[in-house]
Amino acid sequence: ELKVEQNPLFLSMQEGKNYTIYCNYSTTSDRLYWYRQDPGKSLESLFVLLSNGAVKQEGRLMASLDTKARLSTLHITAAVHDLSATYFCAVDLDNNNDMRFGAGTRLTVKP
Amino acid sequence: GAGVSQSPRYKVAKRGQDVALRCDPISGHVSLFWYQQALGQGPEFLTYFQNEAQLDKSGLPSDRFFAERPEGSVSTLKIQRTQQEDSAVYLCASSIGPFVYEQYFGPGTRLTVT
Repeated sequence: ELKVEQNPLFLSMQEGKNYTIYCNYSTTSDRLYWYRQDPGKSLESLFVLLSNGAVKQEGRLMASLDTKARLSTLHITAAVHDLSATYFCAVDLDNNNDMRFGAGTRLTVKP
Repeated sequence: GAGVSQSPRYKVAKRGQDVALRCDPISGHVSLFWYQQALGQGPEFLTYFQNEAQLDKSGLPSDRFFAERPEGSVSTLKIQRTQQEDSAVYLCASSIGPFVYEQYFGPGTRLTVT
């Protein structure tokens, strides 16, 4: 059974600091997604990573994928309060649109 | 253009009642997905449609859950004889096609079973 594990599950950081969220998964897949969810809201797509070594950046967020290690990272640079949200990674099981999500990382950025 | 919409946004049902949750995907999107998100958890896959065909229903937790998309656009998730453990947010997502990977999520329906 596919397992998708994120860590940390809770992250409190100060503005201006850097940090990395990790997403490990237990089966072969070369499609990985990162989503953001604000409280009471739906999921917003951040990144779609479709191959080994893929790296994408948007503003202060950068995501990468290592399919051999079955690991994706979401790196936060110089955090700002607006980044406070829950971040989910999701893996496409068997590359057939069956997405399995991690439990999420609840990020709080404090001034 | 309009995004994915879901109705109702909130639903309170007494245990044993049947409920129907509606999803209107983005116009022209071929693929449609339903997810269940319990409080503090990530979404869990329920079922997937490509046009009107239900290609995967492996995530439906019991035979009380039924989904349909008869004309390949609007979809309904029906839960019969609701139980307290069915309380969750039900999310619908759509994507342009089976080989276009980005899914667009609706706002969800929060179901509370009392």
